[in-house]
Amino acid sequence: EIVLTQSPATLSLSPGERATLSCRASQSLSSFLAWYQQKPGQAPRLLIYDVSNRATGIPARFSGSGSGTDFTLTISSLEPEDFALYFCQHRSNWPPILTFGGGTKVEIK
Amino acid sequence: QVQLQESGPGLVKPSQTLSLTCSVSGGSISSGGYYWTWIRQHPGKGLEWIGYIYASGSTSYSPSLKSRVTISVGTSNNQFSLRLSSVTAADTAVYYCARGSVDSSAVSWGQGTLVTVSS
Repeated sequence: EIVLTQSPATLSLSPGERATLSCRASQSLSSFLAWYQQKPGQAPRLLIYDVSNRATGIPARFSGSGSGTDFTLTISSLEPEDFALYFCQHRSNWPPILTFGGGTKVEIK
Repeated sequence: QVQLQESGPGLVKPSQTLSLTCSVSGGSISSGGYYWTWIRQHPGKGLEWIGYIYASGSTSYSPSLKSRVTISVGTSNNQFSLRLSSVTAADTAVYYCARGSVDSSAVSWGQGTLVTVSS
C-alpha cells in the first residue's frame, strides 16, 4: 500500500513569497502524480498532473517537479487567492487506485 | 468540458444503505479512455478513494470498504451510481464523483454532496 506524506502540515507565508510543498511516497512512484487546491466548501481543483503538467487555466506560478519518492509543488509568488489547502494524489497504473496525501494548508502569515 | 453532478439523500439512517447518483454531461460513460470514480472526504479531513468503474463494467474498490460498496452504471443515460450498505456515523462525509483519464493522473471532480448518517 502506497502512503503519501505531505509536509509541512501548515505553511505560513505572506503574499509574494515562494511556497514549496512536499509530497513524499512510501515507495517509488510512476509519473501518475497530481496536485490539487481546495478551498472551504469547494471541490478539489486540479493544478498539476503527471508530476509537472499544468492543468488548463492554471497560472504559470504553479509548477510541479520530482521523481521516485519525492515530489514538490512550488508556487513562485503567492497571490491572495492561493491561500488554501493543497493535496497530492497518486494513481496506480491499473486498476486506477487513487491515493491521497494528508494535505498542506497554506495560510497567510 | 465534462461536468459531473452528484445527487441523492443528504440524510441516511444508521444501518441503512447510502445511494448516490452521478450525472455526467460533456462526455460518455460508455466510451473508453476514462474511468469513473467515487471519493469521499470526512468533515475537516483528507480524501479517501472509494472505488471505480470502467466502460467495460470492471470495478475495483477500496479494501476497507469493499464488503459494503457497489459502483454501477445507472439505468438512465450517462449516470453511474454508488451504494454503500450498513452505514454508520463514520460514513458521514462529502461524497464526490469524478472522471479520471486512463493515460494520466488527471481527475475531474463533481461539486460533491454532503451525506450525514444520523437517526
